[in-house]
Amino acid sequence: GDSVTQMEGPVTLSEEAFLTINCTYTATGYPSLFWYVQYPGEGLQLLLKATKADDKGSNKGFEATYRKETTSFHLEKGSVQVSDSAVYFCALSLNQAGTALIFGKGTTLSVSS
Amino acid sequence: NAGVTQTPKFQVLKTGQSMTLQCAQDMNHEYMSWYRQDPGMGLRLIHYSVGAGITDQGEVPNGYNVSRSTTEDFPLRLLSAAPSQTSVYFCASRHLAYQETQYFGPGTRLLVL
Repeated sequence: GDSVTQMEGPVTLSEEAFLTINCTYTATGYPSLFWYVQYPGEGLQLLLKATKADDKGSNKGFEATYRKETTSFHLEKGSVQVSDSAVYFCALSLNQAGTALIFGKGTTLSVSS
Repeated sequence: NAGVTQTPKFQVLKTGQSMTLQCAQDMNHEYMSWYRQDPGMGLRLIHYSVGAGITDQGEVPNGYNVSRSTTEDFPLRLLSAAPSQTSVYFCASRHLAYQETQYFGPGTRLLVL
């Protein structure tokens, strides 16, 4: 069935380090892809999205490119900050109106100064 | 514009008790959904609705009921709480098209003793 697989965490980095969080998916058709972020004690917020192959989503210094050939949507940031410490979720939405998001299990990022 | 609101923020129940988790949105979104978040499991869909009067089951519907009498509200009912329902519950909404961003409420933390 349709699914999202994220790299296991936690990921621990020093401030200004480069971040990659891997995400791959299995889906019928051509889904839209999303990254959500959850800061401690809060709900999920959309970080970025891409709706078709080769699209690049970007926000707050984070980027992810929709790679159809490798069914991937890896999240990257060139220089992380302590304030980026959060749980990151990769998700997909199938190409049918009204369908639910399918989430990965989340990756916890901890950035120290 | 309050977005997606949830009440209560935190609740303790005894096994067998019933309660309703409230969710409301003021963005005129057709689609609303309930997720539960458990450690190591990510977010799992409980129930969803594509409009007033229409609901459907998600991945983990057992033990939960929903109804959608208005566009704005989508309450989740636990008829007889069990310890396995201890979790954090998130309500979310979006416009119906699959590419639309989903907005999450702040969550309800439920403890069933």
